[in-house]
Amino acid sequence: SAVISQKPSRDICQRGTSLTIQCQVDSQVTMMFWYRQQPGQSLTLIATANQGSEATYESGFVIDKFPISRPNLTFSTLTVSNMSPEDSSIYLCSVWEGSSYEQYFGPGTRLTVT
Amino acid sequence: KQEVTQIPAALSVPEGENLVLNCSFTDSAIYNLQWFRQDPGKGLTSLLLIQSSQREQTSGRLNASLDKSSGRSTLYIAASQPGDSATYLCAIGGSQGNLIFGKGTKLSVKP
Repeated sequence: SAVISQKPSRDICQRGTSLTIQCQVDSQVTMMFWYRQQPGQSLTLIATANQGSEATYESGFVIDKFPISRPNLTFSTLTVSNMSPEDSSIYLCSVWEGSSYEQYFGPGTRLTVT
Repeated sequence: KQEVTQIPAALSVPEGENLVLNCSFTDSAIYNLQWFRQDPGKGLTSLLLIQSSQREQTSGRLNASLDKSSGRSTLYIAASQPGDSATYLCAIGGSQGNLIFGKGTKLSVKP
């Protein structure tokens, strides 16, 4: 199974600033995903990030607010822009291994916006 | 729109008890169903994945079943242990790898 790391593991940020979250995978994967878990809620898919193409965003999420980069098959970043307290969440990246169909998650980034 | 519901929201049992966690979904046109475990401060750990053509999967003390026609899945945990305490998430997988999650069942196993 893929091993995924995320940086930072947690951060406290001020309203109006931006934070970039990094996701590193120990093997090459085609499909990477970014999820958000708001306090007390389950995970919601933000976008799908495939290498070599633009990220595909789910309803309710826009590129200006959550720009994503996917420069190669082992790395992706998610930026949370112009943050507000409502952006306080855990952000998780995941990869989908087509051969096994299982999805593996990183440890998450806990973001608090003050 | 697919909706996933997990019952109960929380469960507390004594060690050694067998237990069942429930997951229901509204659209039977699923690609697969995956059960995860989430521990505080950690990411999600994949427990079992059931393809849409399968009826059940087993791993150790865990057994997951899938009934697409009724829109239900169950996760059976045998001989529960305090180390099983975590939040268990059910997720419906689409053909593009996207997952739709339930809100989870928070399990507490008392020694």
